[in-house]
Amino acid sequence: GAGVSQSPSNKVTEKGKDVELRCDPISGHTALYWYRQRLGQGLEFLIYFQGNSAPDKSGLPSDRFSAERTGESVSTLTIQRTQQEDSAVYLCASSYRVQTEAFFGQGTRLTVV
Amino acid sequence: AQSVTQLGSHVSVSEGALVLLRCNYSSSVPPYLFWYVQYPNQGLQLLLKYTSAATLVKGINGFEAEFKKSETSFHLTKPSAHMSDAAEYFCAVSDRGSQGNLIFGKGTKLSVKP
Repeated sequence: GAGVSQSPSNKVTEKGKDVELRCDPISGHTALYWYRQRLGQGLEFLIYFQGNSAPDKSGLPSDRFSAERTGESVSTLTIQRTQQEDSAVYLCASSYRVQTEAFFGQGTRLTVV
Repeated sequence: AQSVTQLGSHVSVSEGALVLLRCNYSSSVPPYLFWYVQYPNQGLQLLLKYTSAATLVKGINGFEAEFKKSETSFHLTKPSAHMSDAAEYFCAVSDRGSQGNLIFGKGTKLSVKP
């Protein structure tokens, strides 16, 4: 596709369930970023990938959060045993290489009830 | 680790007035700097970026930003605000080293009064 695609666009889940969020970056982009944006807040860095490796995982809030990337393409962010405080919009971005312009997807709005 | 601070979570200006949104970074080596805009219910898009060429960077929609190493600042300006500029603006920084982490400020919401 022409842009960064995220799915699902909306997800409502029950507290304690696991969820998987998907990001399809722009083809050929080696860098991929995940952020969390709570209502009315800024972008909270979670993790970024350079190729399939994640040099910086420091932003993951807890061990319930994990992410992987395969084939230097699609990435999944998994949240286990979801909590209400996990409710937010999860944004994915990709760039041709690190330090170049990042293009953002529309986000996945996660609501934990 | 680098960080970025945006002074003022909310700025309000009148239509036609100067827009000034502040951004300061903390890094021993001048990083790459970006401004992104998020219009209501839309995704983020790049306004402009500083990578080491000219210190005055021009972006889309009449915005520009000046990199000042002595002040570790990268403030965003526009001479004359338009109603359509109402949005949230984010400053971001990326280290020049091998680490390509892209860190965002908390954002500044710009309101434009008629």
